[in-house]
Amino acid sequence: EAQLVESGGGLIQPGGSLGLSCAAPEFTVNTNYMSWVRQAPGKGLEWVSVNYNGDNTYYGDSVKGRFTTSRDYSKNTLYLQMNSLRADDTAVYYCVLGREMVGTTIPYWGQGTLVTVSS
Amino acid sequence: NFVLTQPHSVSESPGRTITISCTRSSGTIASNYVQWYQQRPGSSPTTVIYENNQRPSGVPDRFSGSIDTSSNSASLTISGLKTEDEAAYYCHSYDGAIWIFGGGTKLTVL
Repeated sequence: EAQLVESGGGLIQPGGSLGLSCAAPEFTVNTNYMSWVRQAPGKGLEWVSVNYNGDNTYYGDSVKGRFTTSRDYSKNTLYLQMNSLRADDTAVYYCVLGREMVGTTIPYWGQGTLVTVSS
Repeated sequence: NFVLTQPHSVSESPGRTITISCTRSSGTIASNYVQWYQQRPGSSPTTVIYENNQRPSGVPDRFSGSIDTSSNSASLTISGLKTEDEAAYYCHSYDGAIWIFGGGTKLTVL
């Protein structure tokens, strides 16, 4: 199965910044969207942001104004720049890619990267 | 934004059939596609149903999805339960461009 490869996670102090990336080299065509979803330890899934084809990017309320999502179409890579990090941003961050196939869109998930915000 | 409500946990015996509900608080369930994701312990989520009732290749036909406008809910049904189905299941839909997740349902197969 085609893979999404997330990277960039790690330990960061509160108030700091961190960047994540999600590479999808096998999905060079027919990608309808790329999204970030996070999961705090022991909790459910929380949507972070989504980039639809073009420059249409949307954010969840908890990250709006602090996180920025961008996309390099030539590399089919999604980025998440996280600023002003807080302890409650601690989570595994998953990349989700929507692949169009015969008029439908199938979500594919990455393996996730852990971000820990702690002093 | 609307809320998607799922039961916190369900349990059933191997070989039986289970249905997990996902109720939309406002607006019509049929207005936006519903997806279902399976997350086994220690693993990332995978898609078992997309666009209400479509199954990705590789997902067994024991998994099926549906929507019911009378109860304004979506359902994931798993028949012939196996121990490997024990996992958390999340429903997901859209409010315009915004993504909405249900709180997740822990399925125990015992």
